[in-house]
Amino acid sequence: GQNIDQPTEMTATEGAIVQINCTYQTSGFNGLFWYQQHAGEAPTFLSYNVLDGLEEKGRFSSFLSRSKGYSYLLLKELQMKDSTSYLCAVMDSNYQLIWGAGTKLIIKP
Amino acid sequence: ETGVTQTPRHLVMGMTNKKSLKCEQHLGHNAMYWYKQSAKKPLELMFVYSLEERVENNSVPSRFSPECPNSSHLFLHLHTLQPEDSALYLCASSHTPGGYTEAFFGQGTRLTVV
Repeated sequence: GQNIDQPTEMTATEGAIVQINCTYQTSGFNGLFWYQQHAGEAPTFLSYNVLDGLEEKGRFSSFLSRSKGYSYLLLKELQMKDSTSYLCAVMDSNYQLIWGAGTKLIIKP
Repeated sequence: ETGVTQTPRHLVMGMTNKKSLKCEQHLGHNAMYWYKQSAKKPLELMFVYSLEERVENNSVPSRFSPECPNSSHLFLHLHTLQPEDSALYLCASSHTPGGYTEAFFGQGTRLTVV
């Protein structure tokens, strides 16, 4: 079966760095997405990786290793507004998005 | 604002009621999706429409009935729902599935079945 695993919850300190991991097992691979979702709101796109390596976008970076079925989202200079959920999703060989259950990030002052 | 609008934002309905959820996008996308999101569970894809034709129906119960009259509008008709159907229902749109295609989500409808 297809599976996306990410931690349920993480805690970090304001101003620090946090890495949210995502591992996947899917039938085929056509890219990996990270979305941010505030409670009861729409998921919003953060990043897309289809080739191995690091994609940097401001305070957020996303890394992919296809051979390991692994990605991470790196958040730097954490701000209180970053306290929300982060969703990992993989596009399979049928171009369908397979979603993880999300990681709730709690940031403390 | 993501360009995808869903109404209503909140809905409470009895098990014998009939209601409809509406989704509208003006992003020029030709694929639209309905997702169900329950607490602490992955997003569940319910229906996919591409070029106004249904291309995916992931074994969704018949009490959920989608309708896509044109590429900008998508409905989800609800009837005789069960309490376990209470969830956040999200609509999304994208360019035709295939290759890199970022999905844009609506704000969702919080549905409570009583």
